[in-house]
Amino acid sequence: EAGVVQSPRYKIIEKKQPVAFWCNPISGHNTLYWYLQNLGQGPELLIRYENEEAVDDSQLPKDRFSAERLKGVDSTLKIQPAELGDSAVYLCASSLAAGAGELFFGEGSRLTVL
Amino acid sequence: GQSLEQPSEVTAVEGAIVQINCTYQTSGFYGLSWYQQHDGGAPTFLSYNALDGLEETGRFSSFLSRSDSYGYLLLQELQMKDSASYFCAVGYTGGFKTIFGAGTRLFVKA
Repeated sequence: EAGVVQSPRYKIIEKKQPVAFWCNPISGHNTLYWYLQNLGQGPELLIRYENEEAVDDSQLPKDRFSAERLKGVDSTLKIQPAELGDSAVYLCASSLAAGAGELFFGEGSRLTVL
Repeated sequence: GQSLEQPSEVTAVEGAIVQINCTYQTSGFYGLSWYQQHDGGAPTFLSYNALDGLEETGRFSSFLSRSDSYGYLLLQELQMKDSASYFCAVGYTGGFKTIFGAGTRLFVKA
């Protein structure tokens, strides 16, 4: 069974440029999460989807961040424009359902903003 | 608000036993999870406790005391490959959220 797939693994951009990250969750997983992880810190939730509906986006900086989950499967996280402080690892995770004890994470997309 | 505390670093010798503690403050708690993350890698699930007591999975065990808002991860027969960061994560109602601690960096020495 394939795990959570993310791309790109690494991205280097100039500040004020846009960037997008893509995530393909495990087949059959209804719940999809985007987390941000700074160096030496734990993952912090940005947004959670139940199928195609964003049910928790309270921590998503909506002035520059946006996300979508088309047809309740793949998801894209976009930043426009990127700022220096956005440099971090963006992790996608999925689970069978909300409240599941186990989240399955992708390898992450490491963003460096210069 | 919701919060978790775990030690920032732990060092142990190969073959030894190490315990990583996690205390939490949250309303609507429903479970405590543990994840392992090697540098540059994805967090991977280790264990989950919804009820009080000890859960054992091979060399790893996890314990939960809901009354004390406390849990720990126990790693036995430490190996060099166990050097990694370990995160406790709490699930709570009010949106079925999962929040992570800052992580404990485990160094295993020969």
